[in-house]
Amino acid sequence: SQQGEEDPQALSIQEGENATMNCSYKTSINNLQWYRQNSGRGLVHLILIRSNEREKHSGRLRVTLDTSKKSSSLLITASRAADTASYFCAPNTGNQFYFGTGTSLTVIP
Amino acid sequence: AAGVIQSPRHLIKEKRETATLKCYPIPRHDTVYWYQQGPGQDPQFLISFYEKMQSDKGSIPDRFSAQQFSDYHSELNMSSLELGDSALYFCASSSRDVWGPLHFGNGTRLTVT
Repeated sequence: SQQGEEDPQALSIQEGENATMNCSYKTSINNLQWYRQNSGRGLVHLILIRSNEREKHSGRLRVTLDTSKKSSSLLITASRAADTASYFCAPNTGNQFYFGTGTSLTVIP
Repeated sequence: AAGVIQSPRHLIKEKRETATLKCYPIPRHDTVYWYQQGPGQDPQFLISFYEKMQSDKGSIPDRFSAQQFSDYHSELNMSSLELGDSALYFCASSSRDVWGPLHFGNGTRLTVT
């Protein structure tokens, strides 16, 4: 399967805490992308990390990629209630984007 | 900036009817993807198109068909609708040149009664 598998399936934290989500995949990739989805809305692209990169930052987001372990993690620092959403990883092998079940993040004010 | 436009936003159909969903990608994007997301489910890849040709096929039922037109908009045609087809249907577009991010529309919520 080319889809990513996110872990944990659900995560509940207090506002201000950090949230870490993990993604594992099975195939070689060109890049790996993380998306966020608010309930009933379309997915929104958060960050893309290329296969030759190990770490990338964007605002409060930090993504790591370990191609030897076929895994990635997404860290959201200083979480806010507005970060409550589902987060999906998408390992990209060219023109294919398959999403896993996602991590449902709840940030409690 | 222009985003992906999907129409209609909501659609209610009865069993065995047909439905057509439309997607207008971001200008200059050459690739369109269709996803189905049932309640509490992850987005399931249905089908994709690149330069008006089918690129990849996922879990699209035989009752469904899709195409991409010369202006790059795409339509998903669904026939013999079943209750289980009730879902959010998302279209996304991207530019293949950069294997970049997918840009999603806000979806069409299809309810089959």
